[in-house]
Amino acid sequence: ETGVTQSPTHLIKTRGQQVTLRCSSQSGHNTVSWYQQALGQGPQFIFQYYREEENGRGNFPPRFSGLQFPNYSSELNVNALELDDSALYLCASSFWQGENIQYFGAGTRLSVL
Amino acid sequence: DQQVKQNSPSLSVQEGRISILNCDYTNSMFDYFLWYKKYPAEGPTFLISISSIKDKNEDGRFTVFLNKSAKHLSLHIVPSQPGDSAVYFCAASAPNRDDKIIFGKGTRLHILP
Repeated sequence: ETGVTQSPTHLIKTRGQQVTLRCSSQSGHNTVSWYQQALGQGPQFIFQYYREEENGRGNFPPRFSGLQFPNYSSELNVNALELDDSALYLCASSFWQGENIQYFGAGTRLSVL
Repeated sequence: DQQVKQNSPSLSVQEGRISILNCDYTNSMFDYFLWYKKYPAEGPTFLISISSIKDKNEDGRFTVFLNKSAKHLSLHIVPSQPGDSAVYFCAASAPNRDDKIIFGKGTRLHILP
C-alpha cells in the first residue's frame, strides 16, 4: 500500500509567478484535500476534491485552484503568487463515506521571494 | 476566530511519565475529533480519533478523552517515550461532509531523558 506522495518537496518562486503542486493519493482513497500550513500555525483547509469536482472550499481566494484526475491524483495551482503564500502545502487523502480520517503527505515547502 | 484551540504551545515531560495534551473547541456542531503527530520534514500522522458519541477512546499508550459539555478534549500518553517528542495537533470536523478538518495550532511535546 503506497502512502500519499507530493512533489516537489521544495520550491522557490517570485512574486507574481504561478505554481503547480502535485499529489498522489494513498491507494484505495478517492478524496483529496489540500491544506496550507504557515509557520507556527496548524494546517488550514484550502479545498477538497471528490469525483474530480471541488467538494468544499476554505477561506482562500480564487487564485487558488485545483484539479483531481481519474486516478484520484491531484494538483494545486496558485496564480499571482504573493509573499504570504510562502508556506508548507499539505495534501491529504481519504475515502469518501468512511471515517473522516485524512492521511497526509510530507508536503511541499513553497517560498515566495 | 479559532474554533480549535491548543493553549499550550509547548510541554516538557520526563520519560516514563504521563503526557497530557489539552484542546478546547467552540463549535458545538463538531462530531469527530482527531489527534495528529508531526515530526519535522514530515506530514502530520494520524494518531487517534474519537466520535462525539463516546467519551473515551484508547489505543495502546494513547487515550483520548472527550468532555462535550466543556467542549474539551485531551490526549494522554502513558508512558511517554523519547520518540513521542513531536508537535501534536488537535483537529475536529462537523457532519456536513465537505470533510474539512479544522486544526489547532499545535503543542510541541518534549520528552526529557
